[in-house]
Amino acid sequence: EIVMTQSPATLSVSPGERATLSCRASQSVSSNLAWYQQKPGQAPRLLIYGASTRATGIPARFSGSGSGTEFTLTISSLQSEDFAVYYCQQYNNWPLWTFGQGTKVEIK
Amino acid sequence: QVQLQESGPGLVKPSETLSLTCAVSGYSISSGYYWGWIRQPPGKGLEWIGSIYHSGSTYYNPSLKSRVTISVDTSKNQFSLKLSSVTAADTAVYYCARQWDYGDYYFDYWGQGTLVTVSS
Repeated sequence: EIVMTQSPATLSVSPGERATLSCRASQSVSSNLAWYQQKPGQAPRLLIYGASTRATGIPARFSGSGSGTEFTLTISSLQSEDFAVYYCQQYNNWPLWTFGQGTKVEIK
Repeated sequence: QVQLQESGPGLVKPSETLSLTCAVSGYSISSGYYWGWIRQPPGKGLEWIGSIYHSGSTYYNPSLKSRVTISVDTSKNQFSLKLSSVTAADTAVYYCARQWDYGDYYFDYWGQGTLVTVSS
């Protein structure tokens, strides 16, 4: 099983600032990585797939990078609606897909 | 627009079987993709339970494989989850989701989720 480790667990950021979230895989997942956003009481929403491709309707302030074992989700200028929990998911290891434990982005 | 909706009992007794159904609208399950179940214990992260391919092939998380069955009913355009011998550790919000194919197995459409509590 590929273990996904996200850091930090909580990130305190002021509105308008940049947020950088990390996701590390226990072994290479190539670029087979997705990012999701989850707000309280809601289902996760797909943000990024293929490590860097934005899903339909996702604002350009969200960007993903990385390959292999190290990945980053960057939110260039945090808006109020961006405060949420973010999860990464690897889908390289078919058919055992795993998620990270999440990073909570909170208002500083 | 693809929509998924989970349904089933919100309370299950320990040792019994949890049964949920996911109704899909806006897309025919038989046309393609994988269809998956993911759960989230209160205050915790996401765990993939299993997926079914549109052809009927099933794939389960090894940690749950002995207790999980996923099936599809194409006539009703829905798929189902059964989890047997439940304990309090199976208390969670259960989501159904469409899972992309062709090597990109991310989840692009999700149901709203349904809370299942295991308690006597």
